[in-house]
Amino acid sequence: DAGVTQSPTHLIKTRGQHVTLRCSPISGHKSVSWYQQVLGQGPQFIFQYYEKEERGRGNFPDRFSARQFPNYSSELNVNALLLGDSALYLCASSPLRGELFFGEGSRLTVL
Amino acid sequence: AQKITQTQPGMFVQEKEAVTLDCTYDTSDQSYGLFWYKQPSSGEMIFLIYQGSYDEQNATEGRYSLNFQKARKSANLVISASQLGDSAMYFCAMRESRSNDYKLSFGAGTTVTVRA
Repeated sequence: DAGVTQSPTHLIKTRGQHVTLRCSPISGHKSVSWYQQVLGQGPQFIFQYYEKEERGRGNFPDRFSARQFPNYSSELNVNALLLGDSALYLCASSPLRGELFFGEGSRLTVL
Repeated sequence: AQKITQTQPGMFVQEKEAVTLDCTYDTSDQSYGLFWYKQPSSGEMIFLIYQGSYDEQNATEGRYSLNFQKARKSANLVISASQLGDSAMYFCAMRESRSNDYKLSFGAGTTVTVRA
């Protein structure tokens, strides 16, 4: 069975640009969550979506947005990139209140 | 306030020995869940073990066991019979019941290096 898949795996952007990260959940999982992991730290919660609706938002600026599609895949968008946005972005899928299954992440470098 | 505290940034352990990773947490919820994840260099977070706040017995999963001391608000992970493949970052995390979302709050992690 396919696990959580994320794309792209690595990308490099410059300050001020926009980035879109994609996530496909495990089949049957309707919830997708996004986390940001800065080097040397634990992951920080950004968003949770369930059945295409936002269920939670972490302490991130409005430059961060996300959505979930009818097939439960999800996109994370970050506008006006800053150097501090350089991080590993992790996507996790789950049933609404079940165990989280994480993908391998998208490693974003902002120059 | 920090919800999860992991005070050991890095640890070395000899192969086949046991290692204990410390985790303390802070919550006013009566119902919460505690998790441990392993993160190898590939980046993927691998679920290891879960302890519910109302569980009376300590959780065990193979070589992993969780030493849950509710009054002290600690949830230490014990890895027995360490293997070279156990070398990774280990994160303690908590989910509180009060929130409508399903977020996990993670600690800063502990790097474990297993020596042959």
